[in-house]
Amino acid sequence: NAGVTQTPKFQVLKTGQSMTLQCAQDMNHEYMSWYRQDPGMGLRLIHYSVGAGITDQGEVPNGYNVSRSTTEDFPLRLLSAAPSQTSVYFCASHPGALETQYFGPGTRLLVL
Amino acid sequence: AQTVTQSQPEMSVQEAETVTLSCTYDTSESNYYLFWYKQPPSRQMILVIRQEAYKQQNATENRFSVNFQKAAKSFSLKISDSQLGDTAMYFCAFTRTGTYKYIFGTGTRLKVLA
Repeated sequence: NAGVTQTPKFQVLKTGQSMTLQCAQDMNHEYMSWYRQDPGMGLRLIHYSVGAGITDQGEVPNGYNVSRSTTEDFPLRLLSAAPSQTSVYFCASHPGALETQYFGPGTRLLVL
Repeated sequence: AQTVTQSQPEMSVQEAETVTLSCTYDTSESNYYLFWYKQPPSRQMILVIRQEAYKQQNATENRFSVNFQKAAKSFSLKISDSQLGDTAMYFCAFTRTGTYKYIFGTGTRLKVLA
């Protein structure tokens, strides 16, 4: 199993550009989440999904969209990038409520 | 709302010594799970240990153990015989029944000194 994969590893955007961060898992997990990690702030939940077709907002959802058309994929879209979205983004999945989360390797995003 | 607090931003320990990382949390729920994750310089998040709140026995994984004090809402991580490979950020996390959200602390940066 590849586990949780994320692409790209690193991306530079200009303010106002859009892009999609990809996340895929091959463990057949129902639950998937997106986090952002900023210095001194830990991991903050952006959006999460409890199954294909079902998504909900986390703590910091503004400026981000998600969709979940398949169990495997959970892309995160930045509609109009802002410097405040410079961060490291992690995707995670878990098989059920209260279960251990498995994390992808992260995407470092720099918005100029 | 649930919160997770890690009050030690940075710590250091000599190789082979023991170190304890602190974590406190706030919840009114009775059924919840707690986790410690390790994030080495590679940035990959790795589960270290987990504790179910209904279990009184403290979880142990090799050199890693927890001191779970439910009444005090404290969940500290003890690393015994510290190794250079233990150098990493350590995050405490919480989740409870009825939600699919996990709440993370701000992390403790641990450096193991040779």
